[in-house]
Order: sequence, then structure tokens, then C-alpha cells
Amino acid sequence: TQLLEQSPQFLSIQEGENLTVYCNSSSVFSSLQWYRQEPGEGPVLLVTVVTGGEVKKLKRLTFQFGDARKDSSLHITAAQPGDTGLYLCAGAWSSNTGKLIFGQGTTLQVKP
Amino acid sequence: GAGVSQTPSNKVTEKGKYVELRCDPISGHTALYWYRQSLGQGPEFLIYFQGTGAADDSGLPNDRFFAVRPEGSVSTLKIQRTERGDSAVYLCASSPQGLNEQFFGPGTRLTVL
Repeated sequence: TQLLEQSPQFLSIQEGENLTVYCNSSSVFSSLQWYRQEPGEGPVLLVTVVTGGEVKKLKRLTFQFGDARKDSSLHITAAQPGDTGLYLCAGAWSSNTGKLIFGQGTTLQVKP
Repeated sequence: GAGVSQTPSNKVTEKGKYVELRCDPISGHTALYWYRQSLGQGPEFLIYFQGTGAADDSGLPNDRFFAVRPEGSVSTLKIQRTERGDSAVYLCASSPQGLNEQFFGPGTRLTVL
């Protein structure tokens, strides 16, 4: 059983299009993080959301944490080829350091 | 500054052999994590160290897997009697005290033939 379900698993779009990736769970998380991973490298943290309903923006990326802290979304505006990669959401049950529960990832391909 | 480093970057071994994977965390980071990532999947938690002690080893799949961090810095993940199903990328991450942000290394790709 996957504790964090990401959708879609694969996404191939044209440069300039918008997209949204979803991360859903039946569990409540203390915080939720979004990572981006490129082939042959480890995941790199994009953002951490902590408060239910929180919205954070990172240039063309908008992250939202659900009110109940069970789900999150990542929206990319005007996608560029450089956005291509594997996007991972990860939930933490502890407010301090502790293990992360990762979703299975969304592979994004942005074609020029 | 130096990030998390992992050696070797690739390891090919035969079924039944013993392997050791090494992780050098960012200097000063007290927390260290091991994850395993299979192709097309997200990382799966294995074990978490706070200092020298394993604070949570609930993700180790069985007793063939063992990890140590004797001086609270470098960690070694040890796998005995490797099986083909152990083939994956093994990721190490570290984080400063009290923070959730984890910094990942590039991983070790383990292939068991």
C-alpha cells in the first residue's frame, strides 16, 4: 500500500503549457516536501510546507498544502524544457528530523 | 561547500556476496538517512541515525541489512548474502539538528547478478 499517491505518474507536455501534479494520502503529515531528481543524482529539495492551507511560490512553481495536511499539489506555469525531471513528494510525521515517506514520483518531460 | 558523497558510485556483485556502501555526510550534520530507490519508484526509507545511534531502523527489509555510524559522521550500509532483488540505487542523506530538510548524495547503484 502506497502511503503517498502521486498523479499522474508520467506527463509529457509542450513548452509553455501549464501542469499540476497531485500528492494524496489518508495520513496526516507534520510537513510535506517536494523534491526534484535528475537521472544519476539524488533528490534536491524544492520546498517544505508545514501549515494546512499553506501556499508557497518558487518562480513559476506554486506549491499548496491541503487544509487537512493530507494532500499537496505542485503547479508549474509556462513549463520549460529545463523543468524536465522526476518530481517527488515526501511526507514527514515528525516536526523534527525523521524519516520521509516518498510518493512514487511524477516523471515530467517538457518538449521544446 | 562539499555535499553528501557516496562511494562507490556503482557496484556490481554476484548473488550471495557481501557488500559495503559508504556515505560521507555534510560536515556537522547530526542526522543521517539511508534510502533505497528502485527504478521508476520514489525512495524507500531504510534507517535513520541521530549521532552514532540508529534512531529508527524500521525500514531495513531483513537481517541481511545492517548499518553503522561509529563516530557520528561516516556511515556504512552492509548487505550480507546479496540477492537479485537487492539491486537498486542506495541513497544517503544528511540534515542539520532539528531541521527536516534532507540533503541527498548521488547514490550508489547496486547490481546483483
